[in-house]
Amino acid sequence: EPEVTQTPSHQVTQMGQEVILRCVPISNHLYFYWYRQILGQKVEFLVSFYNNEISEKSEIFDDQFSVERPDGSNFTLKIRSTKLEDSAMYFCASSDGALPNQPQHFGDGTRLSIL
Amino acid sequence: DQQVKQNSPSLSVQEGRISILNCDYTNSMFDYFLWYKKYPAEGPTFLISISSIKDKNEDGRFTVFLNKSAKHLSLHIVPSQPGDSAVYFCAASLYNFNKFYFGSGTKLNVKP
Repeated sequence: EPEVTQTPSHQVTQMGQEVILRCVPISNHLYFYWYRQILGQKVEFLVSFYNNEISEKSEIFDDQFSVERPDGSNFTLKIRSTKLEDSAMYFCASSDGALPNQPQHFGDGTRLSIL
Repeated sequence: DQQVKQNSPSLSVQEGRISILNCDYTNSMFDYFLWYKKYPAEGPTFLISISSIKDKNEDGRFTVFLNKSAKHLSLHIVPSQPGDSAVYFCAASLYNFNKFYFGSGTKLNVKP
């Protein structure tokens, strides 16, 4: 069964540095998402992306964050000037349509540790 | 942002019995609700969903009930199996399905 893959599984970065989290969504999917889960807290929506543009974003997704689909297969999340509070699990998800019987498929996440 | 709440952080059930996981929401505009299961070190996996026009959806051992007047949904697992032990998240979205709001999760432990 096709799956969403995320790399790396664990990223350690010095505070203030930029980090890029990578995701390869399921190939025929059209909608892409990033979520994060701070340790012990709920899964939080960050951004959704469709037709090469952001369709929704949360209040968390400020100018520090950006997303890109640089080619036909990758979907990236860039975090600039990382802060300690950016430490979390970041999940990428994709779906093939905004329809009830086509739910999101999640990757296994990237654990981001900011030192 | 507490639009979706799961007030029970954990639940322990004997194998073979029913597990009932609860979820409350505040936004009456939510149009679609989902349950996800999450094992450690893995991403959430879709389990079952329900549209706001229904009050029940069943898929094998899993049934989701929606009470719109109470803004409450629940997931029933019957019979519960040890492999069901995981964290269960409920989530809700508006009509456009572009943004999902997750609850904080309930950790289910099914004892053999």
